[in-house]
Amino acid sequence: DTGVSQNPRHKITKRGQNVTFRCDPISEHNRLYWYRQTLGQGPEFLTYFQNEAQLEKSRLLSDRFSAERPKGSFSTLEIQRTEQGDSAMYLCASSLGGANNEQFFGPGTRLTVL
Amino acid sequence: LAKTTQPISMDSYEGQEVNITCSHNNIATNDYITWYQQFPSQGPRFIIQGYKTKVTNEVASLFIPADRKSSTLSLPRVSLSDTAVYYCLVEPPNSGYSTLTFGKGTMLLVSP
Repeated sequence: DTGVSQNPRHKITKRGQNVTFRCDPISEHNRLYWYRQTLGQGPEFLTYFQNEAQLEKSRLLSDRFSAERPKGSFSTLEIQRTEQGDSAMYLCASSLGGANNEQFFGPGTRLTVL
Repeated sequence: LAKTTQPISMDSYEGQEVNITCSHNNIATNDYITWYQQFPSQGPRFIIQGYKTKVTNEVASLFIPADRKSSTLSLPRVSLSDTAVYYCLVEPPNSGYSTLTFGKGTMLLVSP
């Protein structure tokens, strides 16, 4: 399977703990996106990478959130000092870019903060 | 910043054609219109994208009137497996993606 993969698929943590998620995009895609989705809402944009450069960050991305894409391939999203409001599905997507910027999404990581 | 408005939900029966209309009154000249489909516990999946007039692929058709202030996603002969949430997005090409928003989408329920 050469689609976007995310690990872990589920994560349960206690409030105040740090968590890290990984995303492996489609190999030839140079753009990578992170989104957050809560129940009944559409995905909300968090941040975007072009290769290893983080080019856009949403105002939703507080200073407890950090994302990296060190070699322009996989990416990690870390949440420090988790809060119950961080409970959500975290989606990763990748794309080739260009006018038809079709984004390919992974299955997501569901985070539950107790 | 182009905002989209679409119905919260729609119901249909197997074999019927379903048309979901999205309003985007403030669409910019260079914006494209894109539709995604999302099943429960999965990430969204690209369906179709267009700029003007009509676009058709193996899954759906997209109708865009001349003023581009709305668009209609048409799903021919839906089946139970088409039950999903459908999102309409207005995308500026190659620009900052902090403006990209999915909204709440339209929940389509297909019944036998």
